[in-house]
Amino acid sequence: DAKTTQPPSMDCAEGRAANLPCNHSTISGNEYVYWYRQIHSQGPQYIIHGLKNNETNEMASLIITEDRKSSTLILPHATLRDTAVYYCIVRDPKAAGNKLTFGGGTRVLVKP
Amino acid sequence: KAGVTQTPRYLIKTRGQQVTLSCSPISGHRSVSWYQQTPGQGLQFLFEYFSETQRNKGNFPGRFSGRQFSNSRSEMNVSTLELGDSALYLCASRQGMTAEQYFGPGTRLTVT
Repeated sequence: DAKTTQPPSMDCAEGRAANLPCNHSTISGNEYVYWYRQIHSQGPQYIIHGLKNNETNEMASLIITEDRKSSTLILPHATLRDTAVYYCIVRDPKAAGNKLTFGGGTRVLVKP
Repeated sequence: KAGVTQTPRYLIKTRGQQVTLSCSPISGHRSVSWYQQTPGQGLQFLFEYFSETQRNKGNFPGRFSGRQFSNSRSEMNVSTLELGDSALYLCASRQGMTAEQYFGPGTRLTVT
């Protein structure tokens, strides 16, 4: 799986949009970008994933650059409950092996 | 649909004992994976089961074993517990071999 680089931490004001960047310059053509988050002492929560087109669901939007070397997760209206560690992962879902490898992630603190 | 459930949520054992953890996947999901999460090592893949067969295995000693039942529920067993086995054990399920994973809340195991 390709390696990802994320800032270690960021603060966000409640009610504002949170933009979380992720670099994945070695991503291959079959690899998707996945985002998960983990709230303290809970299991990771799937957020969204995409291949090349921008994606949106009820939780977030995923913007992938045209060269696919970086992406941004957007939480449109951050709430205090969005405080968590956010992990960006790139992997080929059809590759042998199911294991997810989480890097350091970005620790997001939403402030009132 | 109900999410992934894990029992027990918390467990305290002493060195040398064995422990069995249980995971019930989301209804209709046939794949169950197990992970160990510690502050030092992060999230590490243990093994994955699909339709009662172990499909993938991580780099853990033979003390760690698992199985999956015909209803897709899975158990993980750790024998001869060591202090280093203290961790959050996470179970994740997915519908098919290429789908995104959904995690349970985890079982926090403390070995004294």
